[in-house]
Parts: sequence; structure tokens; C-alpha cells
Amino acid sequence: GAGVSQSPSNKVTEKGKDVELRCDPISGHTALYWYRQRLGQGLEFLIYFQGNSAPDKSGLPSDRFSAERTGESVSTLTIQRTQQEDSAVYLCASSIGLAGSSTDTQYFGPGTRLTVL
Amino acid sequence: QQQVKQSPQSLIVQKGGISIINCAYENTAFDYFPWYQQFPGKGPALLIAIRPDVSEKKEGRFTISFNKSAKQFSLHIMDSQPGDSATYFCAASKDAGNNRKLIWGLGTSLAVNP
Repeated sequence: GAGVSQSPSNKVTEKGKDVELRCDPISGHTALYWYRQRLGQGLEFLIYFQGNSAPDKSGLPSDRFSAERTGESVSTLTIQRTQQEDSAVYLCASSIGLAGSSTDTQYFGPGTRLTVL
Repeated sequence: QQQVKQSPQSLIVQKGGISIINCAYENTAFDYFPWYQQFPGKGPALLIAIRPDVSEKKEGRFTISFNKSAKQFSLHIMDSQPGDSATYFCAASKDAGNNRKLIWGLGTSLAVNP
């Protein structure tokens, strides 16, 4: 079956503009994560969705960042008034979402490369 | 503060050699330690993972060694091949209900020379 897909693959925007990034998780996966990967760095957790539960937003770096997910489907990450330091690859991952399971593998999409000029 | 420290930053190995990447963690609540492999332009893909109740896990040419008392774990790639050239990330997570957000090392760029 299809893996995690993300769009667009690349996005170039001007400082101050808003951008919206999209993630389509694997069908049937209830858990969805967003991570940010800056050049030459590891991944930073941004936000987690699990079904209809309240999301874990603890990783969002500022109030310019927000994300939504409807049920167990598509998620969008929105960055308002983009800044140059927002330039990074934004990665989405989904997992089955097994309660209490430590081995709930996260499957990653190819990412969206965001460049803020 | 980096919760998961990874070394080396880069590694060059000859074909057929052994590649070793090390990670150390601080939080004793972590109970899952995966290694991910990432090729340029792609998302990370799970390579192998271990839980702290075992000291070693082997899958093909890839082995994780885990030292709970030292809070360290390492990835060994035996008979390294040019196709193994990629960036490798260690990560860790803890039990928070369904939330398994991963805390990542900074990555190791591996180059295997033919």
C-alpha cells in the first residue's frame, strides 16, 4: 500500500508569508507526528495527533506554528509570518498508534523542504 | 540540552569493514531505542530497534548493543557496503500512553568506500 505522502515537496516563500504543508498518513494509522529537520541536524518533535484526543503541541517553537488533523486523515501544518529560521525540512510520520506499545514504528514521508527568503 | 548524544558526526569505512556509531542518553525513562537510516531527499526509515530488557539485537548485518547501566547504545554494521552510505540517527522514546514522540541524536554521516 501507499506510504506517507507529503506535499509540496519543495516550497520557497518570502519572509512574512504564510505557508501550509500537507501530510497524508498511511491508511489506518491513528497516530501522526510532525518533526522539523534543520540542515545537518537531528529531527525535532513538533506536534502529535492521536485519533480524536487532544494533540501534544509541546514541540511547537512559537505561536506562529499550528497544525490540524481531521479524525485519522490528512494533517496540515501552518506557519504564519514565516521567518528565515523556519527554513528546514518538515517531516511527517504516522504509526498504528498501539496503546502502551513501545514498538509502534513510525513511518516517515519524504518531507517538505521549506526555504524562506 | 541534547538528551540523546550521538557520535561520531561522520564516519568513513572501507567496503567490508565494520561501522560503529554510538549514542548516549540521559533520561532513564526512555524504553525504546530505534535506529533510523536516511538517504538524501528521503525521510528516515526504521533500521532496527531495541528495548532495554535485552543487551543485544541482531538483524542481518545490523546489530544494536545496549548497555543500560552506562545509558549507552550502539549500532554495528558488519561487512559495510557502499549502499549503506547514508545518514544514521539514533533516537529514544518513553511511555506516554500512545504518544511515542522520538528524541533524536544529531546523526552520523556514513560513507563506505568501494
